[in-house]
Amino acid sequence: DTGVSQNPRHKITKRGQNVTFRCDPISEHNRLYWYRQTLGQGPEFLTYFQNEAQLEKSRLLSDRFSAERPKGSFSTLEIQRTEQGDSAMYLCASSGRGGTYYGYTFGSGTRLTVV
Amino acid sequence: DQQVKQNSPSLSVQEGRISILNCDYTNSMFDYFLWYKKYPAEGPTFLISISSIKDKNEDGRFTVFLNKSAKHLSLHIVPSQPGDSAVYFCAASVVGGNQFYFGTGTSLTVIP
Repeated sequence: DTGVSQNPRHKITKRGQNVTFRCDPISEHNRLYWYRQTLGQGPEFLTYFQNEAQLEKSRLLSDRFSAERPKGSFSTLEIQRTEQGDSAMYLCASSGRGGTYYGYTFGSGTRLTVV
Repeated sequence: DQQVKQNSPSLSVQEGRISILNCDYTNSMFDYFLWYKKYPAEGPTFLISISSIKDKNEDGRFTVFLNKSAKHLSLHIVPSQPGDSAVYFCAASVVGGNQFYFGTGTSLTVIP
């Protein structure tokens, strides 16, 4: 197992286009998290899955954002009608049954640039 | 509303000396704290943690201190090495919570 994998690593898109990112967690981890990090800030929580169920969403996750985790394996994060303010690093993380207690394993992120 | 604050954006230390990174928080419900280390173009990696029932946790060169009354924690790195140069994030969570609240990070440079 090579850890948490995120694809693509970089994405440049025009304003108004839709984009989709993929995250493959560590295989034995049942919990998956999405965070967003903008320049000069720490990561900010977006959403959390336990297996296939999306159990928590941040108010940062506007209606243009949707996340799925079919079959409790990989996850996708889609942003519709992208805006320049969506430019950020999108980080995926996973953890086992201990959840936050043992910390997460983060992927390397997908850097989104909206032009 | 920044519940976790790292007021020093950057820190430079000579190799072999002690690095002290500070973090303050406002939410008294936080009960678990972690430090993450981040290199450029990589995701954050877990470094060390501390529960609110303790005031110190040590792992090799890294020690985290927690002062609950002051709502303050610090990370000590002794001795500092050039490979420690990275951005360090403090993070906190509440009991039963599913998310971490991160600070804005401190960029540590260890000068050989």
